[in-house]
Amino acid sequence: ELVLTQSPGTLSLSPGERATLSCRASLSIASNFLAWFQQKPGQAPRLLISAASSRATGIPDRFSGSGSGTDFTLTINRLEPEDFAVYYCQQYGYSPYAFGQGTKLEIK
Amino acid sequence: EEQLVESGGGLVQPGGSLRLSCAASGFTFNWFAMHWVRQAPGKGLESVAVITTNGGSTYYASSVRGRFNISRDNSKNTLYLQMGSLKAEDMAVYYCARAANHHILDIWGQGTMVTVSS
Repeated sequence: ELVLTQSPGTLSLSPGERATLSCRASLSIASNFLAWFQQKPGQAPRLLISAASSRATGIPDRFSGSGSGTDFTLTINRLEPEDFAVYYCQQYGYSPYAFGQGTKLEIK
Repeated sequence: EEQLVESGGGLVQPGGSLRLSCAASGFTFNWFAMHWVRQAPGKGLESVAVITTNGGSTYYASSVRGRFNISRDNSKNTLYLQMGSLKAEDMAVYYCARAANHHILDIWGQGTMVTVSS
């Protein structure tokens, strides 16, 4: 069973800085079927990125995804106050459609 | 507007049953596979169950297999999750989500809370 490990667990940064979040898979993810989600308190997750690097509709271009195989990265340039949230990666290549444990991005 | 609205959550005793519903609107429901994802209080996301467009195939997490049943009524644009033999560890917010190409979860409901307690 494929396991996703996200790092760091918590990232403390200031608005305007760049955030780099990592997601590592225990097995290679077929066709880069890797998505990133943002979740704010009391809200449902929101799709940011699919296929490792394709931004979802309406997602600002300061969000970018990269990587392939087992190592993936979500980069957020020029952090805005509304970007501070929890971020999850998920593989959707085959069941079970595992999520990572999440990275909390907090204001420093 | 494409929308999913869950209902049916509430308080249930250990060993009890509950049926969740997810009403879809604003899109052609029977074109999409559907997922249930849950989130225990203060925890991360867990994929629970998946159903294909016509209901012909389903998938369950090992933690719920044999106790939960996912189904859909395409004539009513509604997804269901029948939950049985509920345990304390099933307590969570349950989200339904639409699966776009290759199971990309692009639309989510607001969630419904299931509390398992005596």
